[in-house]
Amino acid sequence: GNSVTQMEGPVTLSEEAFLTINCTYTATGYPSLFWYVQYPGEGLQLLLKATKADDKGSNKGFEATYRKETTSFHLEKGSVQVSDSAVYFCALSPSGFGNEKLTFGTGTRLTIIP
Amino acid sequence: KAGVTQTPRYLIKTRGQQVTLSCSPISGHRSVSWYQQTPGQGLQFLFEYFSETQRNKGNFPGRFSGRQFSNSRSEMNVSTLELGDSALYLCASSLVGSASTDTQYFGPGTRLTVL
Repeated sequence: GNSVTQMEGPVTLSEEAFLTINCTYTATGYPSLFWYVQYPGEGLQLLLKATKADDKGSNKGFEATYRKETTSFHLEKGSVQVSDSAVYFCALSPSGFGNEKLTFGTGTRLTIIP
Repeated sequence: KAGVTQTPRYLIKTRGQQVTLSCSPISGHRSVSWYQQTPGQGLQFLFEYFSETQRNKGNFPGRFSGRQFSNSRSEMNVSTLELGDSALYLCASSLVGSASTDTQYFGPGTRLTVL
């Protein structure tokens, strides 16, 4: 079946540090890949997505590239801010589906200290 | 445009009871999906409704059911509650769901506690 593996958290960084959160997936065909963010007390928000190999999703300074050869979709940001503190989820939608049936990773809690 | 709303935000029930959760999607959205979030299992897909029909289903027992109304509002019902049903239940809506260009928007969730 489909699965998503994220790096274990929590991750604590200083402000302006470089961020990488690793995500790898197992799926047949060509799934769509997503990063969602969950701020304390809130639901999930779509951060970025990529729907085919070599696509790069980007938003708010975050980037992730769909690498089919390594089945990865790592999240990166060049300079994090305190406001980036949240839980980040990598997710996939199976080939042939839209985004209505997502499989999520376990989430990575990110804390940025000033 | 108002976001996805879920009611109630918090619920406390006892084992054996049943519960109904409600989700109002963004205006114009016809696809509604439900997810369960727990510390142990993470986020798991429950089911998805489109045009009043269940289109996709996750691996949950029959105690979990749902429906969608003609105005796209959706309800989720859990019967014979168990302690393990304690979770944050998230609802998400999108225009049609089945397009890769579509975007899914999540509500704030309903926190269910089973005692």
